Amino acid sequence: QSVLTQPPSASGTPGQRVTISCSGSSSNIGSNTVNWYQQLPGTAPKLLIYSNNQRPSGVPDRFSGSKSGTSASLAISGLQSEDEAAYYCAAWDDSLNGPVFGGGTKLTVL
Amino acid sequence: QVQLQESGPGLVKPSETLSLTCAVSGYSISSGYYWGWIRQPPGKGLEWIGSIYHSGSTYYNPSLKSRVTISVDTSKNQFSLKLTSVTAADTAVYYCARHFVAVTASSTNWFDPWGQGTLVTVSS
Repeated sequence: QSVLTQPPSASGTPGQRVTISCSGSSSNIGSNTVNWYQQLPGTAPKLLIYSNNQRPSGVPDRFSGSKSGTSASLAISGLQSEDEAAYYCAAWDDSLNGPVFGGGTKLTVL
Repeated sequence: QVQLQESGPGLVKPSETLSLTCAVSGYSISSGYYWGWIRQPPGKGLEWIGSIYHSGSTYYNPSLKSRVTISVDTSKNQFSLKLTSVTAADTAVYYCARHFVAVTASSTNWFDPWGQGTLVTVSS
């Protein structure tokens, strides 16, 4: 059971906008920043969003992050077939004194 | 360009110790950042194991703390993971990654970049 809660799956058609939610608590998302990772099939996770809404160099602006209270969201606009991957949210947890991850959301591009 | 590469046995017997090393290139461990280990059981999600600073300061996941030791060798620019008394539940792909950590009123942290990962199977 992951500390952060994500829907196990999401889907969309090419060009569509999809959002993936991540729910936590006051000890993690509620008080600290959120990151998102993309894991393409058979590869290592890659940092997609850090500090709630910042994109590392090279990440397209189709990807955006937001946070409100104890929840966060990842939005992907102009969905492309290469976006088919698992997406994980993460945040520092003050009770654990370390980072925690969501269970991951597998995104399917129909 | 920072690159990380995990190495170690792919098969470990139950009750024995899992040992992995992460070699870092393109960046000196002594220059800063924490350096972390994360694992992913087959078909499952990510679990943070622990992280170490070049000075030796560590953070460990409380659920694994009693079995985990992470160490750093700045002369070889690498860091290592030891997990004792392994069981089948420790079978996973083990990743190493550079870990930015800032513990403040609003703590921030992220892992970037990651190594390619190495599968460790616990079986007799």
